[in-house]
Amino acid sequence: DSGVTQTPKHLITATGQRVTLRCSPRSGDLSVYWYQQSLDQGLQFLIQYYNGEERAKGNILERFSAQQFPDLHSELNLSSLELGDSALYFCASSVLTSDNEQFFGPGTRLTVL
Amino acid sequence: GQQLNQSPQSMFIQEGEDVSMNCTSSSIFNTWLWYKQDPGEGPVLLIALYKAGELTSNGRLTAQFGITRKDSFLNISASIPSDVGIYFCAGQLGTGNQFYFGTGTSLTVIP
Repeated sequence: DSGVTQTPKHLITATGQRVTLRCSPRSGDLSVYWYQQSLDQGLQFLIQYYNGEERAKGNILERFSAQQFPDLHSELNLSSLELGDSALYFCASSVLTSDNEQFFGPGTRLTVL
Repeated sequence: GQQLNQSPQSMFIQEGEDVSMNCTSSSIFNTWLWYKQDPGEGPVLLIALYKAGELTSNGRLTAQFGITRKDSFLNISASIPSDVGIYFCAGQLGTGNQFYFGTGTSLTVIP
């Protein structure tokens, strides 16, 4: 158990819908990272927040957005969902923004029908 | 984005055998990480490497940071059934920069 929690574990929805994925980092970690893992793409970095502020952006679509709240939990919002958005979404956390060691949560499996 | 080439893509080995896998990049990285992912779980950090030439062990696992800083290697000695999973390398260009992940090596250990 990495100490990072993610909810829900599974999510099934239809195209065009909007969903919110939630992540609670390890106690004391200030940085949260979001990744997308699909069969043909591997792990792709989406976005990073540090202490409530966006720190880095990767391959995140405009239909996706995230935020980190004062209690340091983070949410990833996915809207206008398409079939290709079906994937595992992982959250990871680390102590600092420059910390090299990230700890991953168990992931949320999103299925878009 | 950066491309990390991980090989082999999959391996089927007998229990007790040693395993070697590697990760190469066209860019120079200053940090290499190796993760293992079990089915239905998130990746778990195995080894972190911070200096060119560094050799670090974690039990039966040994990883090396390549001298050129463009590659890294992971060895598993005397494999056991619980070594089954997907192994990912990840590289970081500079402190505070994002990590780029390899496509993974799927390991199957036959008892």
